[in-house]
Amino acid sequence: AQTVTQSQPEMSVQEAETVTLSCTYDTSESDYYLFWYKQPPSRQMILVIRQEAYKQQNATENRFSVNFQKAAKSFSLKISDSQLGDAAMYFCAYRSVGDDKIIFGKGTRLHILP
Amino acid sequence: DSGVTQTPKHLITATGQRVTLRCSPRSGDLSVYWYQQSLDQGLQFLIQYYNGEERAKGNILERFSAQQFPDLHSELNLSSLELGDSALYFCASSPGRLWETQYFGPGTRLLVL
Repeated sequence: AQTVTQSQPEMSVQEAETVTLSCTYDTSESDYYLFWYKQPPSRQMILVIRQEAYKQQNATENRFSVNFQKAAKSFSLKISDSQLGDAAMYFCAYRSVGDDKIIFGKGTRLHILP
Repeated sequence: DSGVTQTPKHLITATGQRVTLRCSPRSGDLSVYWYQQSLDQGLQFLIQYYNGEERAKGNILERFSAQQFPDLHSELNLSSLELGDSALYFCASSPGRLWETQYFGPGTRLLVL
């Protein structure tokens, strides 16, 4: 069974600094998607970034980028120029190409220090 | 705003009761997914419907059931409620099956007293 592990329950970063959230996953599949979702205090689940496993190039969305290491089964999220609005719970998630079910990690709570 | 709507936003009920949560997917989306977010279990997939038919089941209890109607809205029915059913229930939608991205609604917070 696939699993997603986020080893950092909480992290803090100074405003305008860069922070990296870690995620590892376990799967025997070769084709899959990886996601980072953000859940602010409003509880809305917001897709931050998506990575297709077959793409070697790391995905980037403005200040958010990932470091996808397929062999190591690692998928970290880097947030550059952190802003107060980035404070949220961040979930790493996995979905096999052949399956509609998304598997989520336990989340990392990110605090932004002014 | 993802375009997925869920009602009600909050629901408070007692043990043993039955409730219905409603979800309207984004316009044109045929797939609807239900997830449960609880403190102890985290975010877990419950069930998926595609164009009115059940397509996938996750860790959904027998006390829970869902359906998708011809207008594509979906309802999640929770019966014989227990304290442990208190959670945030999310609905998500996508245009089809095996779509790259699922778009989440704002969730319904259920509190069972």
